[in-house]
Amino acid sequence: GAVVSQHPSWVICKSGTSVKIECRSLDFQATTMFWYRQFPKQSLMLMATSNEGSKATYEQGVEKDKFLINHASLTLSTLTVTSAHPEDSSFYICSASDSGDTDTQYFGPGTRLTVL
Amino acid sequence: SQKIEQNSEALNIQEGKTATLTCNYTNYSPAYLQWYRQDPGRGPVFLLLIRENEKEKRKERLKVTFDTTLKQSLFHITASQPADSATYLCALTGGGNKLTFGTGTQLKVEL
Repeated sequence: GAVVSQHPSWVICKSGTSVKIECRSLDFQATTMFWYRQFPKQSLMLMATSNEGSKATYEQGVEKDKFLINHASLTLSTLTVTSAHPEDSSFYICSASDSGDTDTQYFGPGTRLTVL
Repeated sequence: SQKIEQNSEALNIQEGKTATLTCNYTNYSPAYLQWYRQDPGRGPVFLLLIRENEKEKRKERLKVTFDTTLKQSLFHITASQPADSATYLCALTGGGNKLTFGTGTQLKVEL
């Protein structure tokens, strides 16, 4: 149980284009989903907290107009990187908390984004 | 400022020995602390959660201790196996359920 999937697992795009990453909780309902970014040899950094049916809460320094988050259902959240640039290249990971156990987060396998 | 420190140097141990990883934190009063395993190119996998009022927690070959006076957690893997080789992350939450991660310690278990 408690499986989280992400799609795509990797994506290469040209500078200036937008990329959408999906995060799904497969066997539980997730009231809250989180989006992280991880650069090589560094820790996971929380970007935003996404609550179903409401606007995401962004961490300091994360541009909400650049990283659009939509959490339209209890099993799906999407992150859209708009007008991507090479410095946005990173490993993006989502996590979800089961509505019945909000202390534990279950992570997706991650999406490797490379912007050329 | 808040800091979570894990040994950035890789820990190399022999198969069958006990691996002990350390997580120290400053300027935090975490409600609970979690340990995750991360393999290269993969998302973290949850291992154990320990609350501020718990001293120790075990799960199979894993043991976690949490000393809120020393502001330290120790993570032990007994009878280690090559398959245990990975990066281990500690993460703290002070309230709500936002996690702040340490940089992780890479463990290598050699035959």
